[in-house]
Amino acid sequence: KAGVTQTPRYLIKTRGQQVTLSCSPISGHRSVSWYQQTPGQGLQFLFEYFSETQRNKGNFPGRFSGRQFSNSRSEMNVSTLELGDSALYLCASSLLSGLDGYTFGSGTRLTVV
Amino acid sequence: AQSVTQLDSHVSVSEGTPVLLRCNYSSSYSPSLFWYVQHPNKGLQLLLKYTSAATLVKGINGFEAEFKKSETSFHLTKPSAHMSDAAEYFCVVSDRVAGNMLTFGGGTRLMVKP
Repeated sequence: KAGVTQTPRYLIKTRGQQVTLSCSPISGHRSVSWYQQTPGQGLQFLFEYFSETQRNKGNFPGRFSGRQFSNSRSEMNVSTLELGDSALYLCASSLLSGLDGYTFGSGTRLTVV
Repeated sequence: AQSVTQLDSHVSVSEGTPVLLRCNYSSSYSPSLFWYVQHPNKGLQLLLKYTSAATLVKGINGFEAEFKKSETSFHLTKPSAHMSDAAEYFCVVSDRVAGNMLTFGGGTRLMVKP
């Protein structure tokens, strides 16, 4: 059974650019969440999608957005990149909800220069 | 609002000795609690979870945790540390009031000395 797949693994972008990260959940999982991990702030919740609908959103600016497709694959987009957006972005999937626990992908390491 | 406090940012043990990683939580509703492990440059792996069944939860790689509601604690233990256990460990809480969002503790870095 394939795990959660995130692409790309590494990205280097310039300030002001935008970036799109992709996540393919475990087959059959309908809930997909995104988290940002930085040394200073730790792991912070970005948003959660279930059946193509955003079900929950964390406390991040509107430059951070996401979507989920009918096959449960998800993308997150960050526009007008700032140096502080450099982080490991983790995607996680669950059958129904976070109460059952999430399976995490290996993450996308974004560096903004 | 839910929150998690991991009481030690670093724990160092010798190989073969017991491991204790401490976690206290706050939740306004019946929570689900998890321990995740993260090895360098890797994603998070679920070690074990508590979801209102048995209070003593057994996980992978010999880890277990006990849910104590009166103490609002969910400490992680292992009888005998192995070198491969060296990693960062996260205590995590989730509840319906928070919309099933996971809230992470600050992490505990476990070092295992030979």
